[in-house]
Amino acid sequence: AQSVTQLDSHVSVSEGTPVLLRCNYSSSYSPSLFWYVQHPNKGLQLLLKYTSAATLVKGINGFEAEFKKSETSFHLTKPSAHMSDAAEYFCVVILSGAGSYQLTFGKGTKLSVIP
Amino acid sequence: GAGVSQSPSNKVTEKGKDVELRCDPISGHTALYWYRQRLGQGLEFLIYFQGNSAPDKSGLPSDRFSAERTGESVSTLTIQRTQQEDSAVYLCASSTPFNKETQYFGPGTRLLVL
Repeated sequence: AQSVTQLDSHVSVSEGTPVLLRCNYSSSYSPSLFWYVQHPNKGLQLLLKYTSAATLVKGINGFEAEFKKSETSFHLTKPSAHMSDAAEYFCVVILSGAGSYQLTFGKGTKLSVIP
Repeated sequence: GAGVSQSPSNKVTEKGKDVELRCDPISGHTALYWYRQRLGQGLEFLIYFQGNSAPDKSGLPSDRFSAERTGESVSTLTIQRTQQEDSAVYLCASSTPFNKETQYFGPGTRLLVL
């Protein structure tokens, strides 16, 4: 069984300050981890993914995430928030193998950016 | 090229009626996924197609929900005898078979059951 916990349902930051969106997972095996972003009235967009290569993953729009196996975490960060970053962010765990596929979304973190 | 498209974009129906939601994946993407996003909740995985077969139906919430896919292309999610708790955004995604982790999502169908 696997699960994803996004520790904050809502994060509010000022424009130009750092962003930290937290995600912890549990999985019996080595999963693939993703962050998706959903802007209001838009579809989901892939921000970045970790698939057992480098533990520090860089994504689009200046976001990055670090896979820490010892902490079972995959937190999303950005050095400086922009107004256009206001959206909902989802952490996702995928475990796939021969004949099986298991995908779990976190409940989402809504990011507000204050001018 | 075109992305994943879904229709209708919005659907309002009366409780007890059947609805059909359609998904057109990206051309060449043999893997197709359906999800549900209820207000204030996270995304729920419903079903996954590889080609025209569905190896994983475990996410379908009840026997009122069914999905089919023909020609390794269009998929239809059918909800019979809709209930108010079925109100949600239904999202479709597709991927190549060798990179299932990278899914491309459609804009969703907003279903409201009155």
